[in-house]
Amino acid sequence: DAGITQSPRHKVTETGTPVTLRCHQTENHRYMYWYRQDPGHGLRLIHYSYGVKDTDKGEVSDGYSVSRSKTEDFLLTLESATSSQTSVYFCAISEQDSSYEQYFGPGTRLTVT
Amino acid sequence: GQNIDQPTEMTATEGAIVQINCTYQTSGFNGLFWYQQHAGEAPTFLSYNVLDGLEEKGRFSSFLSRSKGYSYLLLKELQMKDSASYLCAVRDSNYQLIWGAGTKLIIKP
Repeated sequence: DAGITQSPRHKVTETGTPVTLRCHQTENHRYMYWYRQDPGHGLRLIHYSYGVKDTDKGEVSDGYSVSRSKTEDFLLTLESATSSQTSVYFCAISEQDSSYEQYFGPGTRLTVT
Repeated sequence: GQNIDQPTEMTATEGAIVQINCTYQTSGFNGLFWYQQHAGEAPTFLSYNVLDGLEEKGRFSSFLSRSKGYSYLLLKELQMKDSASYLCAVRDSNYQLIWGAGTKLIIKP
């Protein structure tokens, strides 16, 4: 299995607070992605990174920011959490662009009350 | 807009064969993926099709028709452990993956 970890695995937070989720990989893959998964929806891309300090927006980027200061770490920050951001968040990595399969982390279940 | 359609849920019997369909309308096409996701777990890669035809990998096969915007995943000799959601994803002209909502497959003894 690809070496991808996410932390925390579960979090409950209050509306209006900032939250940071961490994705860590040991595969030295260039591409990293943040998705959210909600019932009735497919995985939706929030942001992705194609190298250190190189990031771009995905389909549902509003209210989220990311940073990648090292190859192995990709951080997702919710600036001011809202109840609509309650979801399961998955990090994924791929060796090249999305022409290659993506390997997913175990997910973070976030609840915003 | 971009759209990927899959049945929400399917039921099949252990030992049987099941076909899960996926139709897509996307801005461009640069490949189609199938992933398996067990409840509470991460998706895992099953197959990738970029040319028309059938790709076989053990008990699983995936078919693609680009002219029809259609793919299916065929699972043979179903086992209880095949109970999972199956996700179809298409890579569009911008090389972004567009995901379907997934098909929940229930296997009964």
